[in-house]
Amino acid sequence: DAGVIQSPRHEVTEMGQEVTLRCKPISGHDYLFWYRQTMMRGLELLIYFNNNVPIDDSGMPEDRFSAKMPNASFSTLKIQPSEPRDSAVYFCASSSGLAGVSDTQYFGPGTRLTVL
Amino acid sequence: GQNIDQPTEMTATEGAIVQINCTYQTSGFNGLFWYQQHAGEAPTFLSYNVLDGLEEKGRFSSFLSRSKGYSYLLLKELQMKDSASYLCAVPFSGGYNKLIFGAGTRLAVHP
Repeated sequence: DAGVIQSPRHEVTEMGQEVTLRCKPISGHDYLFWYRQTMMRGLELLIYFNNNVPIDDSGMPEDRFSAKMPNASFSTLKIQPSEPRDSAVYFCASSSGLAGVSDTQYFGPGTRLTVL
Repeated sequence: GQNIDQPTEMTATEGAIVQINCTYQTSGFNGLFWYQQHAGEAPTFLSYNVLDGLEEKGRFSSFLSRSKGYSYLLLKELQMKDSASYLCAVPFSGGYNKLIFGAGTRLAVHP
């Protein structure tokens, strides 16, 4: 299996620009998670989906952030407009969502975002 | 509420044994996960405990005490490549799917 795929791996943009991060989960996984990781705040859950439906977006910092999952194999996280404080590594993860060890989340390689 | 505590940093010597502790508070309990994260890389799954006791997996073992809200990760025969952050995580409110991660323990292994 190819694992979770994310693109781009690195993104450098200027303040005010729109940024779109992409994720392809592991085939057959029903749950998809978007995280943000910074030195100051650690790994934070932004939003997660079950069967393409957003279940919990309480971690989305503000309206500038939005996420979609149009089908089982693709999700996007969009930031518009971007700000320097959005600079972080954004991870996508997926899981089968069954209880116990099957709840294990598998992470993509991440997108390192720098907003100048 | 939910809370996970881990030491921020630890150092150890190659070939030695190190124990990384994690204490948690959650309104319910549905297992505890340990992840390893090398610098600049994604977290990768190490272990899962749901029952009390020690789970051994090669050089790595994980222990859980549900009554004490406590877990530890034991790394034996340390190698330089074990230098990484180790994150403890529990499902939110004892449910499923949504994990709450600790801040991680950064382990440095020296020759």
